[in-house]
Amino acid sequence: QKEVEQNSGPLSVPEGAIASLNCTYSDRVSQSFFWYRQYSGKSPELIMSIYSNGDKEDGRFTAQLNKASQYVSLLIRDSQPSDSATYLCAPRGSQGNLIFGKGTKLSVKP
Amino acid sequence: EAQVTQNPRYLITVTGKKLTVTCSQNMNHEYMSWYRQDPGLGLRQIYYSMNVEVTDKGDVPEGYKVSRKEKRNFPLILESPSPNQTSLYFCASSAQTAGAYGYTFGSGTRLTVV
Repeated sequence: QKEVEQNSGPLSVPEGAIASLNCTYSDRVSQSFFWYRQYSGKSPELIMSIYSNGDKEDGRFTAQLNKASQYVSLLIRDSQPSDSATYLCAPRGSQGNLIFGKGTKLSVKP
Repeated sequence: EAQVTQNPRYLITVTGKKLTVTCSQNMNHEYMSWYRQDPGLGLRQIYYSMNVEVTDKGDVPEGYKVSRKEKRNFPLILESPSPNQTSLYFCASSAQTAGAYGYTFGSGTRLTVV
């Protein structure tokens, strides 16, 4: 069983701070990695994808990937209350499907 | 607008009464999948389809059926629903199962079986 581990949280950060969300995965075959944001009761929304080691930046979001350590992270700079949501890490498995972690709940306090 | 459409959004039914949740995508995606989401358990894959007439079991297929007769539609069928199938269900689609192609999710169906 391929596993994706995320801290369940809640992770609480003050408005304007950097939120750091971490994810480890067990399948060494994984080459593509995705971060989804899910507001309570809503569907997951794709916010970032990464498939090369290193950093990928998109606005306030930075994804970091280290395949040797089987570790992927998401940094959110200048966190806003509207960023409060659950963030799902999803590596692509050997069958091509996405394997979702259980998510980290982020709370940004005004 | 590119989207995945699920119906109904909310459904309350009784044990044993067959039901179908529809899913349709207008993006010509080859890959479609069904998930259920329960508190503390995250998203769990029920069934997926790589293309028309090609379906396969996910992690929790028991009690569910699917079909893929057309590329755009991927209905989820519960032949005899039970209370343990009460959950939030999501349909998702993707252009490919490689590279940077992520999933697009439908808005979800909240099912209650009493």
